[in-house]
Parts: sequence; structure tokens; C-alpha cells
Amino acid sequence: KAGVTQTPRYLIKTRGQQVTLSCSPISGHRSVSWYQQTPGQGLQFLFEYFSETQRNKGNFPGRFSGRQFSNSRSEMNVSTLELGDSALYLCASSLRGDDEKLFFGSGTQLSVL
Amino acid sequence: ILNVEQSPQSLHVQEGDSTNFTCSFPSSNFYALHWYRWETAKSPEALFVMTLNGDEKKKGRISATLNTKEGYSYLYIKGSQPEDSATYLCAFIQGAQKLVFGQGTRLTINP
Repeated sequence: KAGVTQTPRYLIKTRGQQVTLSCSPISGHRSVSWYQQTPGQGLQFLFEYFSETQRNKGNFPGRFSGRQFSNSRSEMNVSTLELGDSALYLCASSLRGDDEKLFFGSGTQLSVL
Repeated sequence: ILNVEQSPQSLHVQEGDSTNFTCSFPSSNFYALHWYRWETAKSPEALFVMTLNGDEKKKGRISATLNTKEGYSYLYIKGSQPEDSATYLCAFIQGAQKLVFGQGTRLTINP
């Protein structure tokens, strides 16, 4: 059974640009959540999607958005990139949501110059 | 704002020794508590999801307990091995809210 796949693994952008990250969950998993990892901040919840609907959202500005497709694949978009957006972005999937173990992808390391 | 505290922040343990660390969380409106192990250059790996007060879970040499009334969970590792070196994260859900992660305990096993 394939794990959670995130693409790309690494990304370098400049301030003001926008970026789209992709996450393919484990087959059959309908919940996909996104997290930001920065040094000293730990894993911060961005949002969770279930069956194409955003079910929960973290405390991030509106520049951070996401969506989920009918095949449960999810994308995360960050517009007008800032230096502080440099981070490891992880997605995780589960069958239903938060009372279950999450299966994480390898992450996308985003560097904003 | 939920606050999940993990202690200690880092820990060095001799191979073969047993160790434990703590995750503290708000005791009101508890929903679930997760433990993950995150090895360097890998993805976080789920260890346990605990939902009931008094829950005890075990996976090999690793076990965890949960006290929702006082708001803490302990993770125990028996007979530490070098492969146990990792950051151990706990994450808490209150009510219908999002998962909130602690900063983690970085464990290093010295051979």
C-alpha cells in the first residue's frame, strides 16, 4: 500500500511569488491535513479537508489556502510569499480524522529568498 | 489558545536504560491524545492514539499512559536502543478543535 506522497520535495521561491504544494493520501483515506514546521515553532496546524470540504482551519493568514479533489488528493497554495513562510510543509492522511493515527508524507521543504 | 507542553525538551540516555517523558495538556473537554515518533530525515510515525482516561497502550518496548482528569500523558521506553533516538511528539485535541502539537522531546541514546 503506497504511503502519503508529497510533491515537490524541495522548492525555492522568491518573496511575492505564489506556490502550490501537492499531497496524495493513502488510498481510501478521506481526511487530509496540512502542517507547517519551522525551527522553534513545532508543527502548526494549517487546515484539514474531508470529502472535499474544509473541516477545520488553523491560525494562518488568508494567503494560505487549500483544496481537496474528489479523489482525496489535496493541494495547498501560498500566495504572496514572505521570508517567514520558509518551512517544512507536511501533509497527513487518515480514514476519518483526528481520533485516528495520522500517516504523514515526507514533506515539502520550501525556501523563500 | 491550547497549550501542549512536553518535558523535558531533550534527553540523553545510555543504551539499555529505561526512560520516560511527559505531555501536559488542558484537562477540560478532552477528545484525544496522539503520540508520534519523528526520526531525522523521516516522516513522523504514529505510535498511539489515546481517547479514554486511564488508557494504557503498548507497542514493543514503548508504552504510554493517559490521565485526562489531570491533563497529562507519559511515554515510557524500556531498555533504550540506538534506534529509539528521535523526537517524540504529543498532540492534543480538545472538543472538535484541531490537533495541537507539543514542541517535542528530543531523545538521544548513547551507545
